[in-house]
Amino acid sequence: DGGITQSPKYLFRKEGQNVTLSCEQNLNHDAMYWYRQDPGQGLRLIYYSQIVNDFQKGDIAEGYSVSREKKESFPLTVTSAQKNPTAFYLCASSSTGVSYNEQFFGPGTRLTVL
Amino acid sequence: AQSVTQLDSHVSVSEGTPVLLRCNYSSSYSPSLFWYVQHPNKGLQLLLKYTSAATLVKGINGFEAEFKKSETSFHLTKPSAHMSDAAEYFCVVSDDYGQNFVFGPGTRLSVLP
Repeated sequence: DGGITQSPKYLFRKEGQNVTLSCEQNLNHDAMYWYRQDPGQGLRLIYYSQIVNDFQKGDIAEGYSVSREKKESFPLTVTSAQKNPTAFYLCASSSTGVSYNEQFFGPGTRLTVL
Repeated sequence: AQSVTQLDSHVSVSEGTPVLLRCNYSSSYSPSLFWYVQHPNKGLQLLLKYTSAATLVKGINGFEAEFKKSETSFHLTKPSAHMSDAAEYFCVVSDDYGQNFVFGPGTRLSVLP
């Protein structure tokens, strides 16, 4: 089945630690995105990538880093510089250069700082 | 620049009654418009999308939305609410080539028995 997978589903981090959230897609999409969602809040864009080996900062990139070495994979690292990382993280992908194409979302990773 | 306004942060309906979730957008382009649903601790699922083929768009689970250019609106409706419809709903606008997705703040739908 085609889709987006995120792992782990739940992640716990101690203060001062870096953690990496995985996102993989087999939809052959060029574009991939990371969003953060806080309780009762909408989605805020962290980073996005429209092609391999290239990515751009979104609205709240500080304290996060990404890589895009393969088309299928777009891992997100939450660094110790992110002061309030407890949130629900969503990965998405979409095709590009096509009108009316939607984003497809993964199931999310819930990160909790202990 | 594009923007989306969802006029109600919370809507509460009784089971079996109609649902109306309101969305207004602003776009410099000919917009692509989407409605997504999110159940607690889940990812977002596409309900429907506007593709310019028809102004009345039918989606999954009995939902539909009407694109009104003159009102810059894309309201989501369902004739009869079901308990399983209780969730968060997001209206999204993107440009012609889907390279810039802007999310509304979401509307939480509660369905009362």
